[in-house]
Amino acid sequence: DSGVTQTPKHLITATGQRVTLRCSPRSGDLSVYWYQQSLDQGLQFLIQYYNGEERAKGNILERFSAQQFPDLHSELNLSSLELGDSALYFCASSVTSGDTDTQYFGPGTRLTVL
Amino acid sequence: TQLLEQSPQFLSIQEGENLTVYCNSSSVFSSLQWYRQEPGEGPVLLVTVVTGGEVKKLKRLTFQFGDARKDSSLHITAAQPGDTGLYLCAGLLYGQNFVFGPGTRLSVLP
Repeated sequence: DSGVTQTPKHLITATGQRVTLRCSPRSGDLSVYWYQQSLDQGLQFLIQYYNGEERAKGNILERFSAQQFPDLHSELNLSSLELGDSALYFCASSVTSGDTDTQYFGPGTRLTVL
Repeated sequence: TQLLEQSPQFLSIQEGENLTVYCNSSSVFSSLQWYRQEPGEGPVLLVTVVTGGEVKKLKRLTFQFGDARKDSSLHITAAQPGDTGLYLCAGLLYGQNFVFGPGTRLSVLP
């Protein structure tokens, strides 16, 4: 158990819909990362938040948005869903030790868009 | 084009054999991490290497970070079926974010 929690574990929805994925980082970790993993793309970095502020953006579509709340939990919002958005979505939190970060991943949310 | 390449992409071996998987890049990383992921689950951190030339051992797993901090290897001795999974390397770019390799899918047959 990494200490990172994600809900829901599974989500099935239809094209055009909007969903929200939730992540709670490990106690004390200020950074939260979101990744998308599909069969043919591997792990793709979407976005990072640090202590409530957006720190870095990766390959995140304009239809997707995220935020980190004062209690440090984070939500990833996916809208106007398309079939190609079906994937595993992972959240990770990180701790800085010395001059490096170490990421710990949650169990993921499997999104299926029908 | 992948910033991090991993080889081989797939590996199927018999229980008891040794194996090495590689993670290569033209970029320099401040640190590099190895993960193992099982189907439908999140990647689980195995090790973080920070210093060029560093070697870390975790039971039957030996990790090495290249002297130039651009590559790494993972060697498994006497592989067991429980080692089966997707092995991912992830490099932390200086002042930037983590980049992941595409992974090596290992299958250890009993």
